[in-house]
Amino acid sequence: DTAVSQTPKYLVTQMGNDKSIKCEQNLGHDTMYWYKQDSKKFLKIMFSYNNKELIINETVPNRFSPKSPDKAHLNLHINSLELGDSAVYFCASSQEGQNTEAFFGQGTRLTVV
Amino acid sequence: GEDVEQSLFLSVREGDSSVINCTYTDSSSTYLYWYKQEPGAGLQLLTYIFSNMDMKQDQRLTVLLNKKDKHLSLRIADTQTGDSAIYFCAESEQAGTALIFGKGTTLSVSS
Repeated sequence: DTAVSQTPKYLVTQMGNDKSIKCEQNLGHDTMYWYKQDSKKFLKIMFSYNNKELIINETVPNRFSPKSPDKAHLNLHINSLELGDSAVYFCASSQEGQNTEAFFGQGTRLTVV
Repeated sequence: GEDVEQSLFLSVREGDSSVINCTYTDSSSTYLYWYKQEPGAGLQLLTYIFSNMDMKQDQRLTVLLNKKDKHLSLRIADTQTGDSAIYFCAESEQAGTALIFGKGTTLSVSS
């Protein structure tokens, strides 16, 4: 079973559209994350979320919003897509306070045209 | 703010050792990680080290930590063509919290 799964794997959409990327983890972790990897392969945290708080990287535009219907899911909604949003988005999960690794999904390659 | 720096490229010949270096600025970094990303793939954790350790060895991988200089290195012994990938150094203040990544070192292994 895949520990952290994201859908879709590829997403091509036009500027101005609204889209969502889904993420699910079956590890029972209490914290989930979204990371963005740009065209230069630079990886940056966008959000981290557990049942206590949402931590937002201040550089993330408010067009991006995470939605967590339950502990196992953290979906990423993006409104009014722009060309610069094209990137690979990685979901991850971990258990706060434990000496465990963060598990990453396989990534969603978003292309805005 | 926190920053993690790595050199961007490293080329080695098959069978040689590779050493990838990383420096970080956050003195409260507690956990330091090395991730591997193959082309078109996700991130795979290779190894991690706690800040109270100097060295960790795992098969062909050796991690050295100089906490005073905030310097981390990853040595890959007997480098193989399958080791060609991007290697990311990352740090976090606490276990299970968000990671701050370096920009990644692209390792190219020639036969």
